[in-house]
Amino acid sequence: TQLLEQSPQFLSIQEGENLTVYCNSSSVFSSLQWYRQEPGEGPVLLVTVVTGGEVKKLKRLTFQFGDARKDSSLHITAAQTGDTGLYLCAGDSISGGGADGLTFGKGTHLIIQP
Amino acid sequence: EAGVAQSPRYKIIEKRQSVAFWCNPISGHATLYWYQQILGQGPKLLIQFQNNGVVDDSQLPKDRFSAERLKGVDSTLKIQPAKLEDSAVYLCASSLDRVVYGYTFGSGTRLTVV
Repeated sequence: TQLLEQSPQFLSIQEGENLTVYCNSSSVFSSLQWYRQEPGEGPVLLVTVVTGGEVKKLKRLTFQFGDARKDSSLHITAAQTGDTGLYLCAGDSISGGGADGLTFGKGTHLIIQP
Repeated sequence: EAGVAQSPRYKIIEKRQSVAFWCNPISGHATLYWYQQILGQGPKLLIQFQNNGVVDDSQLPKDRFSAERLKGVDSTLKIQPAKLEDSAVYLCASSLDRVVYGYTFGSGTRLTVV
């Protein structure tokens, strides 16, 4: 079973601060995705990383995929209250036969205080 | 484009009762997934359909859970009989190309079993 460990579980910071959340596994993933989920809604895709060492930027969000494709990080610069939410990382678990459901971590609950 | 539609949004039932959830994916998305998200955890895959065929149901508790996608479009997930530990949000997702576009999730059905 592939497991994804996310840290920290909870993070509360002031608006304008920077933060990094982590997603680690002992398994190698061919791709990894980050989602953001708000209360009462389903997760929404932020980014997909595929290549080891890849860095992708989405405005103030920077995503990195580890060289060994076992871990990833999400860095937010100058956090805003609108960044509040549950951040989930998910790795593919392609096991053949067309089965390609994602394995999700437990998520990081992020609260940005004004 | 319209998103993934799910109903009902909320359901409260007593243990040992039956319940069914409905999902209408994005038009043209051949792949449909049902996920269970227990409070404080990330989504866990229950079943994956490709058109009207089951690709992966290895994590579906088949003694009480069943799902179908008869015409390759809408899907229903049923629990019979429900247990207290089934209390969770049930998320439906569809995908055109999971690596490129990720999943599109519905808003989910929040089930409370009392």
